[in-house]
Amino acid sequence: EAGVTQFPSHSVIEKGQTVTLRCDPISGHDNLYWYRRVMGKEIKFLLHFVKESKQDESGMPNNRFLAERTGGTYSTLKVQPAELEDSGVYFCASSQAGTTGYTFGSGTRLTVV
Amino acid sequence: AQSVTQPDIHITVSEGASLELRCNYSYGATPYLFWYVQSPGQGLQLLLKYFSGDTLVQGIKGFEAEFKRSQSSFNLRKPSVHWSDAAEYFCAVGRPGGSQGNLIFGKGTKLSVKP
Repeated sequence: EAGVTQFPSHSVIEKGQTVTLRCDPISGHDNLYWYRRVMGKEIKFLLHFVKESKQDESGMPNNRFLAERTGGTYSTLKVQPAELEDSGVYFCASSQAGTTGYTFGSGTRLTVV
Repeated sequence: AQSVTQPDIHITVSEGASLELRCNYSYGATPYLFWYVQSPGQGLQLLLKYFSGDTLVQGIKGFEAEFKRSQSSFNLRKPSVHWSDAAEYFCAVGRPGGSQGNLIFGKGTKLSVKP
């Protein structure tokens, strides 16, 4: 079984540019989560999809962040325009319905300069 | 407010020595409890989890954790550390019950292993 895959693994962009992160969950996993770790801080929840619907987006920092999960498969997280404080590692995780304990991807390290 | 505290930012132990990583939580009820490990260049891997029942939980790679309700703690232990255990370890809590919910993480403890 393939794990949770995230693209790209690293991204360096200039302030004001747009970046799109992608997450491919494990096939058949209805739940998909985005988390972020800013350097030196905790890993923090951003949002949760159940299939293509946003179940909880209470962790999204502001309206510069847009997450989508068309068709309930892969998800994208777009940051537009990027700011310096958006730098960090963005993790995606997925799980089957009715289970607890996710499978995480290896993360995308975003650096905004 | 719900929170997880890992008081040790960085720990160094000698290979073969025992290890204990501390985790305390603040939560309205007994949450689900997790330990994850992140090795360099890797994603977060689940070491073990506690939902209910026996308070001593066995995990992968020879790790165990003990839930102590009176202390709101869920410390991670390993009797003999291997060089490959060098990584960052995260304690997390989640909402109990069958529904999915987001996890609250501690800041992590980075483990270095001396030869």
